[in-house]
Amino acid sequence: KVLTQSPGTLSLSPGERATLSCRASQSVSSSNLAWYQQKPGQAPSLLIYAASSRATGIPDRFSGSGSGTDFTLTISRLEPEDSAVYYCQQYGSSPITFGQGTRLEIK
Amino acid sequence: EVQLVQSGAEVKKPGEFLRISCKGSGYNFTSFWITWVRQMPGKGLEWMGKIDPSDGYSNYSPSFHGHVTISVDKSITTVYLQWSSLKASDTAIYYCARLVGGYSRAAFDIWGQGTFITATS
Repeated sequence: KVLTQSPGTLSLSPGERATLSCRASQSVSSSNLAWYQQKPGQAPSLLIYAASSRATGIPDRFSGSGSGTDFTLTISRLEPEDSAVYYCQQYGSSPITFGQGTRLEIK
Repeated sequence: EVQLVQSGAEVKKPGEFLRISCKGSGYNFTSFWITWVRQMPGKGLEWMGKIDPSDGYSNYSPSFHGHVTISVDKSITTVYLQWSSLKASDTAIYYCARLVGGYSRAAFDIWGQGTFITATS
């Protein structure tokens, strides 16, 4: 199951809203889709699971939506520390797959 | 504190054996699946396989099946990833992670710090 993320790179200013897309080649069962944030030199960290549930400690500026083949991660009120690569992942069918990532740059 | 602590960086030659480790602490180790993820230099994330620490049952991505082995030692709350014969293309950072909620199909909520493997002649 291939996941395609867009855009490849996003450059926005603090306070703006970021909209990241993840499209699956086949329907993702039971909305088994997650989003991760990876900052340079760090391990990924879980932001969203089950398409729209925030992981523990994740601020409500981060929200996930979507179902079937189209999913979105929205980050409102961007802050400088949101600069990172964001990956979507489907875990509903094997093999588990990740998107190629979207690089978010904060100007 | 719930954490996964991985073994340190390794420099090996192609063809050599290697085993790296991931030690869980701060939670009921046998209640949560553990998975391994590869990240080649400058690239994205690739799922390799996962293991149920309660019974050692493992499941692999077709891309890695037969090239790596995932195992567990419950007595020391440690999961392993091993290669019997490394290739230069195995050079990467390897992360272990825990699956949410003890489910076999779940997101990865706790990650190790990563182990950097360099395979070079």
